[in-house]
Amino acid sequence: GAVVSQHPSRVICKSGTSVKIECRSLDFQATTMFWYRQFPKQSLMLMATSNEGSKATYEQGVEKDKFLINHASLTLSTLTVASAHPEDSSFYICSARGTEAYTFGSGTRLTVV
Amino acid sequence: DAKTTQPNSMESNEEEPVHLPCNHSTISGTDYIHWYRQLPSQGPEYVIHGLTSNVNNRMASLAIAEDRKSSTLILHRATLRDAAVYYCILRDVIVGRDDKIIFGKGTRLHILP
Repeated sequence: GAVVSQHPSRVICKSGTSVKIECRSLDFQATTMFWYRQFPKQSLMLMATSNEGSKATYEQGVEKDKFLINHASLTLSTLTVASAHPEDSSFYICSARGTEAYTFGSGTRLTVV
Repeated sequence: DAKTTQPNSMESNEEEPVHLPCNHSTISGTDYIHWYRQLPSQGPEYVIHGLTSNVNNRMASLAIAEDRKSSTLILHRATLRDAAVYYCILRDVIVGRDDKIIFGKGTRLHILP
């Protein structure tokens, strides 16, 4: 079945640095990918829709200059958290749509200290 | 957006069947009913989906009411590994319309040994 690989699985960074998270579709092409954020004990919150070859579409309240999304190929989307701060610490998850269902990455646990 | 309503949490004994309900009274004729689950510290995984008829796969069964306003995910013999948050989601069958998945709170399933 469709597999989405997400890296890194866990990252700790200092406040003020930028962190890049990669999401790859391994055995299928994904023109659209989705980025979610999840805080402890809460549901997934959609941040943005990543479109291959064009600008991402951000959900209301999500800062596009803070969460930079690049979808340069049909198998790779990246999320960069710019100048990360402790409040950006969260579990980030990417997803891609297959023919019938969505496939999710295993998530990236970001801790900003 | 068509919304779903699920109980916040449920409990079941190991090796017993589990019936997870979902109400979706505003479902449209082109909405598929999807179920995903999220194990602790992982991204969501696909469980099952259906349109009108009941569906079975290796993971679970999906029973859909005749009027499609509700459905039930059935785990025939729960194990401790089935402890997760289960999400019932509606997805339009027409690709491109309402393409993204918005997660509700889901049902947290506890399995008692």
